[in-house]
Amino acid sequence: DTAVSQTPKYLVTQMGNDKSIKCEQNLGHDTMYWYKQDSKKFLKIMFSYNNKELIINETVPNRFSPKSPDKAHLNLHINSLELGDSAVYFCASSLRGITDTQYFGPGTRLTVL
Amino acid sequence: AQTVTQSQPEMSVQEAETVTLSCTYDTSESDYYLFWYKQPPSRQMILVIRQEAYKQQNATENRFSVNFQKAAKSFSLKISDSQLGDAAMYFCAYRSTSQGGSEKLVFGKGTKLTVNP
Repeated sequence: DTAVSQTPKYLVTQMGNDKSIKCEQNLGHDTMYWYKQDSKKFLKIMFSYNNKELIINETVPNRFSPKSPDKAHLNLHINSLELGDSAVYFCASSLRGITDTQYFGPGTRLTVL
Repeated sequence: AQTVTQSQPEMSVQEAETVTLSCTYDTSESDYYLFWYKQPPSRQMILVIRQEAYKQQNATENRFSVNFQKAAKSFSLKISDSQLGDAAMYFCAYRSTSQGGSEKLVFGKGTKLTVNP
């Protein structure tokens, strides 16, 4: 009965590779987010989708491309991985205008070698 | 742009005692939400408490309570009867109520809380 799930939890890869992180929520929420937590634990928004429509796109390299096939899923694809992409990536979801509280997934620790 | 400041990178407390974590924020908006999230070593982000700016009453959740001072733009978290399981990073976060792309959470840099037995 996991509310917000992410796969994989850990991802180790070489520079230059392309990788994807998947996120799914079963809370019936209509808005989903990707946050990045750097090595100093600082959390920053990357993207947000509402009903499959992109509503937040912070200053993120265009190597990062989110995709939302439906309201319950938001995936993050990263091309040409760089060392600086190493971080923990969190997916979150909320119900816009109702609770607005964001619930987070367990995070994906990405390590680029 | 809104900013959130947590001035205490680390705090420690004895088990069963009370500790207060500080948070200040900067905004020109009159209505917004404030949150405290907890991140234990498992790295899961767990919602601790939430406050709507239009509510004067301070939010409480069991042993957790806030002191919300809107004029001072201050939002501190008080943990009473601290337990070993409270040890974690605590993040203060701000969220606008406006629509149109402002639903993001703006986080402070976090306070690492250690609970001593």
